[in-house]
Amino acid sequence: DAKTTQPPSMDCAEGRAANLPCNHSTISGNEYVYWYRQIHSQGPQYIIHGLKNNETNEMASLIITEDRKSSTLILPHATLRDTAVYYCIVRPPLTQGGSEKLVFGKGTKLTVNP
Amino acid sequence: GAGVSQTPSNKVTEKGKYVELRCDPISGHTALYWYRQSLGQGPEFLIYFQGTGAADDSGLPNDRFFAVRPEGSVSTLKIQRTERGDSAVYLCASRASGGDEQFFGPGTRLTVL
Repeated sequence: DAKTTQPPSMDCAEGRAANLPCNHSTISGNEYVYWYRQIHSQGPQYIIHGLKNNETNEMASLIITEDRKSSTLILPHATLRDTAVYYCIVRPPLTQGGSEKLVFGKGTKLTVNP
Repeated sequence: GAGVSQTPSNKVTEKGKYVELRCDPISGHTALYWYRQSLGQGPEFLIYFQGTGAADDSGLPNDRFFAVRPEGSVSTLKIQRTERGDSAVYLCASRASGGDEQFFGPGTRLTVL
């Protein structure tokens, strides 16, 4: 699976948009971008994934650049409960030969401040 | 519905002792995973079960670690002769057949003194 690079930490004011970047310059054509987050003392939680088109769900939006070498997870109105470590993972989906094992980096520690 | 549960939530043991960590996956999920997370690091894969069989145990660090899933539901991770370096949070996840998402439990924090 392609390697990802994320900043170790970011801060965001409550109510503002949090934009978390991820670089994945070696991404392959069949690899999707997945985002998970891990709130303190909990297990990781799936947020969103995408291939090349922008995606949005009730939790977040995912913007993938046209060359697919980077992406941004957007939390449009961050709350204190969004304080967590956010992981960007690049892999093919299982239906396209993706590995069962998720490979996590160190992620980005997002702190939402009141 | 109920999510993945893990017991105990915390376990403190002494170096050299044997420990068992339990995972109850989401009902009906056929795939089950164990990960280990050290302080400040992301989770690291240990082993993956499809049904009762271990389909991939390439992440187990050595032969002191063993996991079972005898009836294809509950799984137990067993660690023999624990070492201080085994101290970590042990996470379990499960996935439904045909699904792509892994659902994680809250983890068991193991401390080896």
